[in-house]
Amino acid sequence: GAGVSQTPSNKVTEKGKYVELRCDPISGHTALYWYRQSLGQGPEFLIYFQGTGAADDSGLPNDRFFAVRPEGSVSTLKIQRTERGDSAVYLCASSPQGYSYEQYFGPGTRLTVT
Amino acid sequence: GQNIDQPTEMTATEGAIVQINCTYQTSGFNGLFWYQQHAGEAPTFLSYNVLDGLEEKGRFSSFLSRSKGYSYLLLKELQMKDSASYLCAVKDNAGNMLTFGGGTRLMVKP
Repeated sequence: GAGVSQTPSNKVTEKGKYVELRCDPISGHTALYWYRQSLGQGPEFLIYFQGTGAADDSGLPNDRFFAVRPEGSVSTLKIQRTERGDSAVYLCASSPQGYSYEQYFGPGTRLTVT
Repeated sequence: GQNIDQPTEMTATEGAIVQINCTYQTSGFNGLFWYQQHAGEAPTFLSYNVLDGLEEKGRFSSFLSRSKGYSYLLLKELQMKDSASYLCAVKDNAGNMLTFGGGTRLMVKP
C-alpha cells in the first residue's frame, strides 16, 4: 500500500518568506508526527497530532512554526518569516495509534532558506 | 528530558559483524527503537525493545538493559547495502514522540 508522502520534496525560499509543507499519512493512521533533521544529526521532534488535535506541540521552536490537521488526515506545517536556521529536512511520520510503537516515515521535504 | 548517545561513525568489513552502542538517560522509558536511514531517504524501522534482553530479526539483533540505560544493535554478515546511518531513539512515558540520538554512520568496506 501507499506509504507516507510529503510535498514538495524540495523547497527553496528567501529569508523572511512564508512556506507550507504538506504530509499525507498512511490511510487510517490516527497519529501523525513532524520532525526536523539537520545534516548529520538525528530527527528532532516538533509536534504530534492524535486525530485533528495537536496532542503535543512542545517541540515547536518558536511561534513562527504552526501545524494543522483539520480533517484528521493530511497535515500542513507552516513556517512564517523563515530564517536561514530553518534550513533542514522536515520529516513526517504516522502510526496506527498514538501508543503504537512503530512510526512510518515519509521521504521528507528539504527546505533551504537563502 | 532525554539524553541519547551513540558513536558518530563506524567502519566495518563486508561479511563481518558490527555492534553499534547506544546509551540513554531519560526521565521515563517506554521503549527503545532502532531505525536505519540511507542518505537522502526516510528512516525505516528496524527493531523495538521494551523489556531487557535480545531481540533477533534475521541478520539484525537488538539488545536492551534498562538498569544500565544501554542498548546495542548487532549487524551480522555485513553487506555493502548496510552502509547507512543507524538511529537510536527512545519513547518516554509522558509522550508518544521519539527522541533520537545523533545517529551512527556505518561504512561497510569490501
